[in-house]
Amino acid sequence: DVKVTQSSRYLVKRTGEKVFLECVQDMDHENMFWYRQDPGLGLRLIYFSYDVKMKEKGDIPEGYSVSREKKERFSLILESASTNQTSMYLCASSLSIGSRNEQFFGPGTRLTVL
Amino acid sequence: GIQVEQSPPDLILQEGANSTLRCNFSDSVNNLQWFHQNPWGQLINLFYIPSGTKQNGRLSATTVATERYSLLYISSSQTTDSGVYFCAAPWGGATNKLIFGTGTLLAVQP
Repeated sequence: DVKVTQSSRYLVKRTGEKVFLECVQDMDHENMFWYRQDPGLGLRLIYFSYDVKMKEKGDIPEGYSVSREKKERFSLILESASTNQTSMYLCASSLSIGSRNEQFFGPGTRLTVL
Repeated sequence: GIQVEQSPPDLILQEGANSTLRCNFSDSVNNLQWFHQNPWGQLINLFYIPSGTKQNGRLSATTVATERYSLLYISSSQTTDSGVYFCAAPWGGATNKLIFGTGTLLAVQP
């Protein structure tokens, strides 16, 4: 079974702090994704990566950056956390585009920015 | 881009009842996924079903790609089935992101 893990289930940070959310997958998937989920807005793609050191902006990249130094790990970075980044963050991974591209999700991180 | 709509938006069932959830999509897709989001927020993969019918225990799903819809059947519902059910289809562009429907909130009462 594919396993996607995230570093924290719950996180509380203060405005202005730099925040790191870590995601690790164990199935050698090429693609990794970061989404955020907000009531009434559904899931929205922040960034994705299709290979090590490769990244592409999603729909709402502002205020975020990402890092993929190893194939199994994809980090989401909030450079200076703000209250409007309080949300549920979900990481996902999948095989290459064009093949079976079923996405598998981690347990999520509920981030609160005070 | 593709649009994904789900119905009904919410559903209350007595334990043991059956239900059908529907997902309509606006364009042809090469895959469709069904997820269950549990009360703790995790998205659990239920089905990867571009077409045809699949069954897994009390759950089954059917996708009719030519008519652009998919159905999720839950039989003999249990309280642990409660949560939000999402269908999602790939956008089809370079990102391969998933476009999620708005979900069906299911509450199964004992």
